[in-house]
Amino acid sequence: DVKVTQSSRYLVKRTGEKVFLECVQDMDHENMFWYRQDPGLGLRLIYFSYDVKMKEKGDIPEGYSVSREKKERFSLILESASTNQTSMYLCASSWWDTQETQYFGPGTRLLVL
Amino acid sequence: SQQGEEDPQALSIQEGENATMNCSYKTSINNLQWYRQNSGRGLVHLILIRSNEREKHSGRLRVTLDTSKKSSSLLITASRAADTASYFCATDPTNAGNMLTFGGGTRLMVKP
Repeated sequence: DVKVTQSSRYLVKRTGEKVFLECVQDMDHENMFWYRQDPGLGLRLIYFSYDVKMKEKGDIPEGYSVSREKKERFSLILESASTNQTSMYLCASSWWDTQETQYFGPGTRLLVL
Repeated sequence: SQQGEEDPQALSIQEGENATMNCSYKTSINNLQWYRQNSGRGLVHLILIRSNEREKHSGRLRVTLDTSKKSSSLLITASRAADTASYFCATDPTNAGNMLTFGGGTRLMVKP
C-alpha cells in the first residue's frame, strides 16, 4: 500500500514565524504535490514537483516555497506565516507515467495566530 | 473558477438509500476521478473513468461520464453510515500536464 505521511497533524504558529511542513512518500513516486483546502474553495494546488530539485507553481504559490532534495520528501515552507495561511494542507504523490491517481497524506491543520 | 463543480453541495439520506452526486467541468479532459474525504483526513481515491468510457463500476459505486455534457455522476448504492464523508471529483484536463483540478465537494451524511 502507498503511504504518504505528513510531519504534523496539527500545528499552531504565530504571525511572522517560518513554518516547515514535510511530506514523505514510500512508493518511489516521481510527482509530489502540495494543496491547501479551505471551506467553499475546495483543494487548490500550491506547488508540485515532478523530480528531485524540480518544482512548478500551482494556482496559489504566493507566500509559499517548496524544497525537494530527495525523491521521497517534499517540503512546503511558509517564509513568514500570516493569518490568511490558516488552512488544511494536504500533500499527495503520484507516478510519473500514469499521472492519474494521487495518493494523499492525512493533512496538516495549520493555525496562524 | 474551479474546473469541476459538484452538485449538490450537501446531501443527507437514510442508511440503505442510494446517493447520487454530480460533477460538471468546463474543458476537455483525459479522465475524471472521484475521491472521498472523511472529516479532517486526507483524500482517498475511489474510481477513475477515462474520457472514452461512459460507465464504470466498483463495488457499490457506479460512475458515469457524459463528455458531450461535460458532466459525471457518482452513485453510491445501499448507503451505509460509514459512507458519510465529502466526495470530490477531480479532472485531468488535456492541457494541464500532471495537474488534477478538484471541485468543491459534496458533503454526504448517511443517517443510521
